[in-house]
Amino acid sequence: DAKTTQPPSMDCAEGRAANLPCNHSTISGNEYVYWYRQIHSQGPQYIIHGLKNNETNEMASLIITEDRKSSTLILPHATLRDTAVYYCIVRVGNDYKLSFGAGTTVTVRA
Amino acid sequence: NAGVTQTPKFQVLKTGQSMTLQCAQDMNHEYMSWYRQDPGMGLRLIHYSVGAGITDQGEVPNGYNVSRSTTEDFPLRLLSAAPSQTSVYFCASRRLPSGTYEQYFGPGTRLTVT
Repeated sequence: DAKTTQPPSMDCAEGRAANLPCNHSTISGNEYVYWYRQIHSQGPQYIIHGLKNNETNEMASLIITEDRKSSTLILPHATLRDTAVYYCIVRVGNDYKLSFGAGTTVTVRA
Repeated sequence: NAGVTQTPKFQVLKTGQSMTLQCAQDMNHEYMSWYRQDPGMGLRLIHYSVGAGITDQGEVPNGYNVSRSTTEDFPLRLLSAAPSQTSVYFCASRRLPSGTYEQYFGPGTRLTVT
């Protein structure tokens, strides 16, 4: 399984874009990049996933480098409600054992 | 849809007591799983199930039992509670087969063992 590396914490100003990096240099060809977030005390929430191409949905954008060794989750206009722990996970799509590391604690400041 | 529901929300046990944490989902998902989250840590997989009658171990299965008699329910049993099992427990479900990994999580059960 590819391991991921994320910064332990980052701050972001409200209304600005938040760019969350994730390194996964040992990713293999059939592994997807997934992002989840966990708002204080709640269960994790799925945000987005991708294999090779950049992806966008109503919550965020996912930019994956051409060599797939790193990715960036972009929250285009961060709000105070985006304060959460963000998890980057790399797994094969049909894998049954999804686990979460420590993630990045993102604090959005007014 | 109620999604994934968990009961109770909070529980305090004495060392050696047993109890069952309940998890139910109304999305007809084949896959269900249990995680624990210790303070300041990520989530660790305890057990999972890919359908009624099928269960398997995750990273940290010791001290826990599961069974899956229906698609909807996936209870987690603590056989003899220990202080090391003080944690927040999350249940999750997702559809199978799936090329994606969108799991739906419950609100959690906060367990304290004294």
